[in-house]
Amino acid sequence: NAGVTQTPKFQVLKTGQSMTLQCAQDMNHEYMSWYRQDPGMGLRLIHYSVGAGITDQGEVPNGYNVSRSTTEDFPLRLLSAAPSQTSVYFCASRGTAHSGEQYFGPGTRLTVT
Amino acid sequence: GNSVTQMEGPVTLSEEAFLTINCTYTATGYPSLFWYVQYPGEGLQLLLKATKADDKGSNKGFEATYRKETTSFHLEKGSVQVSDSAVYFCALSDSAGNNRKLIWGLGTSLAVNP
Repeated sequence: NAGVTQTPKFQVLKTGQSMTLQCAQDMNHEYMSWYRQDPGMGLRLIHYSVGAGITDQGEVPNGYNVSRSTTEDFPLRLLSAAPSQTSVYFCASRGTAHSGEQYFGPGTRLTVT
Repeated sequence: GNSVTQMEGPVTLSEEAFLTINCTYTATGYPSLFWYVQYPGEGLQLLLKATKADDKGSNKGFEATYRKETTSFHLEKGSVQVSDSAVYFCALSDSAGNNRKLIWGLGTSLAVNP
């Protein structure tokens, strides 16, 4: 059982470049979300989705886009990378929007120079 | 609004010491409470949870009791091991509305020395 998978594990970008962080889950979960984790800031919600075709903004959505064309996949797109987006990114899923328990991927460490 | 406050780290203990990591919350309604653990280089994973007042969650020797009167959910372990070194996050699940949001504490880093 793979759970939540993320690729890549590490990425270095130059300012202005774009890229997509991939996230997939095989648990048939309705709810998926993206967080960023920064020292001293805890986890901050970027975007989330309550089901295929439905996405919404979290606390820190600027500079990021998401889409949810299938239940399994929830990619995060950086449109024009900035040094402030240097962070560790986690994808997470849970059964429904009403479930409390969340399952996390292993994370993507992104550095923007 | 809802919030979670946990004690600042880092916490450094010797093996077999007693651990307490404090967590208090502010919430309307009846939230569920969680402790997640993040081992080095990994994502977060659920450690334990409690869904109503006076519930005790437990797992891997860790315990936490949902205290509504003190709005607390402190994490305890009687004898820590080196393998418990990790970052611990307290969180609450907002029970209001159609979309439960998880409200996170900032995390407490624990280092256990042999």
